Amino acid sequence: GENVEQHPSTLSVQEGDSAVIKCTYSDSASNYFPWYKQELGKRPQLIIDIRSNVGEKKDQRIAVTLNKTAKHFSLHITETQPEDSAVYFCAVIQGAQKLVFGQGTRLTINP
Amino acid sequence: KAGVTQTPRYLIKTRGQQVTLSCSPISGHRSVSWYQQTPGQGLQFLFEYFSETQRNKGNFPGRFSGRQFSNSRSEMNVSTLELGDSALYLCASSLAMSALYGYTFGSGTRLTVV
Repeated sequence: GENVEQHPSTLSVQEGDSAVIKCTYSDSASNYFPWYKQELGKRPQLIIDIRSNVGEKKDQRIAVTLNKTAKHFSLHITETQPEDSAVYFCAVIQGAQKLVFGQGTRLTINP
Repeated sequence: KAGVTQTPRYLIKTRGQQVTLSCSPISGHRSVSWYQQTPGQGLQFLFEYFSETQRNKGNFPGRFSGRQFSNSRSEMNVSTLELGDSALYLCASSLAMSALYGYTFGSGTRLTVV
């Protein structure tokens, strides 16, 4: 089955700096790559996703890049703010019906 | 419109007991997936249902089972509870047959086994 590795497991950045989280996957047939944000005590929420026919997608301060050849994709958050502190999960679709998640990255924004 | 509703929010059970968790998807969503979330293992896939049929199952023992009703509501059952079953159980619903349109998660049921 699909194997998704996410790095780093924890990340601490100064407010205003950028944060980058990277995921690698094993199944070259995967074609959908969402990112979820989970604040403390809350449900995971979809923040951005990308499909395999594009290399990059942006939504305000967040962006996702995809390298299908290398089988990795990354989440980029610019101008980080305290409310960006959360656990971020990448995911990869497997067999069109199931999402396989990375282990999560705990992002802390220091004021 | 209402989101994904999971009940109960919290449960405390004793080892050996069984438990049933409920998930009501967003109106119109027909696919429901269940995940177990623990600090050490992240989000582990349990199973996925579409139109009352289980289409996918994760690597969990047979003590974990589920079903989906004609109104798309889903239940999962864990029998003979073990301490290691303590976790946050999340369900997620999806509009289409495929996860390509993303999931919407419920707030979860936190199960504690003592």
